[in-house]
Amino acid sequence: EIVLTQSPGTLSLSPGERATLSCRASQSVSSSYLAWYQQKPGQAPRLLIYGASSRATGIPDRFSGSGSGTDFTLTISRLEPEDFAVYYCQQYGSSPAWTFGQGTKVEIK
Amino acid sequence: QVQLQESGPGLVKPSETLSLTCAVSGYSISSGYYWGWIRQPPGKGLEWIGSIYHSGSTYYNPSLKSRVTISVDTSKNQFSLKLSSVTAADTAVYYCARLLLRLDYWGQGTLVTVSS
Repeated sequence: EIVLTQSPGTLSLSPGERATLSCRASQSVSSSYLAWYQQKPGQAPRLLIYGASSRATGIPDRFSGSGSGTDFTLTISRLEPEDFAVYYCQQYGSSPAWTFGQGTKVEIK
Repeated sequence: QVQLQESGPGLVKPSETLSLTCAVSGYSISSGYYWGWIRQPPGKGLEWIGSIYHSGSTYYNPSLKSRVTISVDTSKNQFSLKLSSVTAADTAVYYCARLLLRLDYWGQGTLVTVSS
């Protein structure tokens, strides 16, 4: 079973700053199988990025994903007030199975 | 537009069976994709519970496999979750979702509390 570890646990930033979130896998993951989600309080997660770097429909271009193998990154180029939330990475594994990282909270500094 | 809506009791007694249904609109379950359940205990992260393929094949999280059953009713375009022998640790918001390599559509979630 592949384990996803996200860091940092909490990121304290100001609006307008750049956010860099990390997702590290315990084994190599196909880029096609890596996705990122945003979750705000009281809401379901929303798909942001799939295939490691493709933005989902309607996602602003300030969100970008990159990485390969065991190291993946979600970058928010300039934080907007609505971007303060919890972010999860997710991988699809053979079996099939779906696993999530533990999440990174982006909070207002 | 694909929409998913969870329904079921919000309170379940310990040792009983949790039962939820997810009604899908805007897409026919029998046309493809996996359909699954994810849960989130209060203040914690996301856990995949299990999924059912449009053909009826099921796949479960090994940590829950002995207690989980997912089924599909294509005539009603809905799928269901049963989780047996629940304890307080099963208290969570339960989401249904459409899955392939990623989860692109989610229900709004329903809180299920396990308490006597």
